[in-house]
Amino acid sequence: DIQMTQSPSSLSASVGDRVTITCRASQSISSYLNWYQQKPGKAPKLLIYAASSLQSGVPSRFSGSGSGTDFTLTISSLQPEDFATYYCQQSYSTPGSFGQGTKLEIK
Amino acid sequence: EVQLVESGGVVVQPGGSLRLSCAASGFTFDDYAMHWVRQAPGKGLEWVSLISWDGGSTYYADSVKGRFTISRDNSKNSLYLQMNSLRAEDTALYYCAKDPTAAAGTPTFDYWGQGTLVTVSS
Repeated sequence: DIQMTQSPSSLSASVGDRVTITCRASQSISSYLNWYQQKPGKAPKLLIYAASSLQSGVPSRFSGSGSGTDFTLTISSLQPEDFATYYCQQSYSTPGSFGQGTKLEIK
Repeated sequence: EVQLVESGGVVVQPGGSLRLSCAASGFTFDDYAMHWVRQAPGKGLEWVSLISWDGGSTYYADSVKGRFTISRDNSKNSLYLQMNSLRAEDTALYYCAKDPTAAAGTPTFDYWGQGTLVTVSS
């Protein structure tokens, strides 16, 4: 199975900051990489699919990049509602394994 | 509006069985593959199982293979997860999730339910 590793595991930032979260796959997954946001007590929400495509309704301050084994999720200017846990997930093959998550907290 | 509503989660003893259900609405159910994804308390996300649009293909995580069975009834817009030989490590919030494709060759979860809690404890 493909292993997904996110860094950092947690991150403190302020409103207005630019934030980057990285995700590394244990083997090449081309651009088959999705990003999800999960707020406490809520279901995850798809933000970005195919590494860089923004899901409908997701604000443009979110962006994704990368291919092969290394990927990034960038939030260009943090808003109060962005403080949450973010997960990457490979869609290259079943099982569609997830990273361990990155908890984004208010500084 | 896409809606997925899970039900069936309860407290069950180790070795017991349980059937989860997911009622879907707001989209053409039999056009899409469906998944179950779980989250243990305070932990990350774990994909559990997927079923193709017609039920013809099913896949399972190694951790549940041989114990869980996924199925669907397209006439009722419903997804199911039969869980047998339950273990303490199966304790989790179980989410039903929709795939944007019919066969889920590239598993992606574009809509999620709110989850149903399964607790395995004596």
